Amino acid sequence: EIVLTQSPGTLSLSPGEGATLSCRASQSVPRTFLAWYQRKPGQAPRLLISGASSRATGIPDRFSGSGSETDFTLTISRLEPEDFAVYYCQHYSTSPPGLTFGGGTKVEIK
Amino acid sequence: QVQLQQSGPGLVKPSQTLSLTCAISGDSVSSNSGAWNWIRQSPSRGLEWLGRTYYRSKWYNDYAVSVRGRIIITPDTSKNQFSLQLNSVTPEDTGVYYCVGGVVYMDVWGKGTTVTVSS
Repeated sequence: EIVLTQSPGTLSLSPGEGATLSCRASQSVPRTFLAWYQRKPGQAPRLLISGASSRATGIPDRFSGSGSETDFTLTISRLEPEDFAVYYCQHYSTSPPGLTFGGGTKVEIK
Repeated sequence: QVQLQQSGPGLVKPSQTLSLTCAISGDSVSSNSGAWNWIRQSPSRGLEWLGRTYYRSKWYNDYAVSVRGRIIITPDTSKNQFSLQLNSVTPEDTGVYYCVGGVVYMDVWGKGTTVTVSS
């Protein structure tokens, strides 16, 4: 099973600053099978990025995804107050079929 | 717009069965291109995919190794919903349970049900 390791665990930033979140896979994964989610307290996760770099419907363009093989990045260009949340990467496996999630990166207000 | 409405008890006794249901609106549980998942969140285990059901000319199920043998996910075409049954629960099964629509990416999430396993 592929393990996803996210870093840092917590990112303390101010509104207006940029954020760079890392997701490292224990083995090479197809870009097609890598996604990012945002979760706010008391809410379900929301899909942000699919296919490593495609924004989901309604996601602002300050969010961008990049990377390949074992190293993937979520970048938030300028943090808005509503962006302070926990972010997860996710991998889809075809064999065995299923999903795994990284441990998450919390982006908090400094 | 697809929406998922979860229902089920929030408190389950150890060794008993956790049962949750997810009603689908705006899509069909029998969709030939969709899949219907259960995912849980807990402080100790983070986000954990439990399993899914989907229809591709016949019904299929996939389950996570961590819960295989204790889990059953069942579609109900007459009510356009799907259900989770998790047997022999322990306090480790405490968490927020989400029903989720999606195959590779989890596009649509229910609001979540907080389930506590305690006597």
